[in-house]
Amino acid sequence: DQQVKQNSPSLSVQEGRISILNCDYTNSMFDYFLWYKKYPAEGPTFLISISSIKDKNEDGRFTVFLNKSAKHLSLHIVPSQPGDSAVYFCAARGLDQTGANNLFFGTGTRLTVIP
Amino acid sequence: NAGVTQTPKFQVLKTGQSMTLQCAQDMNHNSMYWYRQDPGMGLRLIYYSASEGTTDKGEVPNGYNVSRLNKREFSLRLESAAPSQTSVYFCASSEAGKGQNLLAKNIQYFGAGTRLSVL
Repeated sequence: DQQVKQNSPSLSVQEGRISILNCDYTNSMFDYFLWYKKYPAEGPTFLISISSIKDKNEDGRFTVFLNKSAKHLSLHIVPSQPGDSAVYFCAARGLDQTGANNLFFGTGTRLTVIP
Repeated sequence: NAGVTQTPKFQVLKTGQSMTLQCAQDMNHNSMYWYRQDPGMGLRLIYYSASEGTTDKGEVPNGYNVSRLNKREFSLRLESAAPSQTSVYFCASSEAGKGQNLLAKNIQYFGAGTRLSVL
């Protein structure tokens, strides 16, 4: 059962506008949330994270918001640039079935920024 | 700065054949991971190794074996490949060892992936 869900498989945005990527989770024990970005033929690269004790973390054009009561987080990219076109994975850290801390990944959202 | 290196990049197998996917990291990381990525499924953990000499099952270990040869290398073996194992495989590593919870140490760094087709 998918504990981290990204319900929008794709998103298209005009260059210069805001991109908002969403992620929902079911496990209230997750303590960190991360966003990864993936270009074709490359592995995912870490983008930004947020602790479960915070509601916002900002790094340049990227801001992640966390709403714990709704078990929802979002990644805002402002302004969006063509180079941001990639697949974005949401991930959450929590205990797996062996009791070890591991990452649980969403299915990804493909962002296309139109010049 | 190589980071995490996976070989091969592409492979085609026939059902029943065996092969080993290689992964090496040069960041002196303690933990290493193998994931598979399938359409609509995201990244799913196959096996991981929190330190040299230890391995643990992830979410989807069936049909796979792993070896943590040394601190740098973590290989994934398919003994008898099946079409259901057609996927893109990613190796990752993180600085954290077992029990280390600081997030900065738990961020995972990925290789470029191996695209495997089993016919």
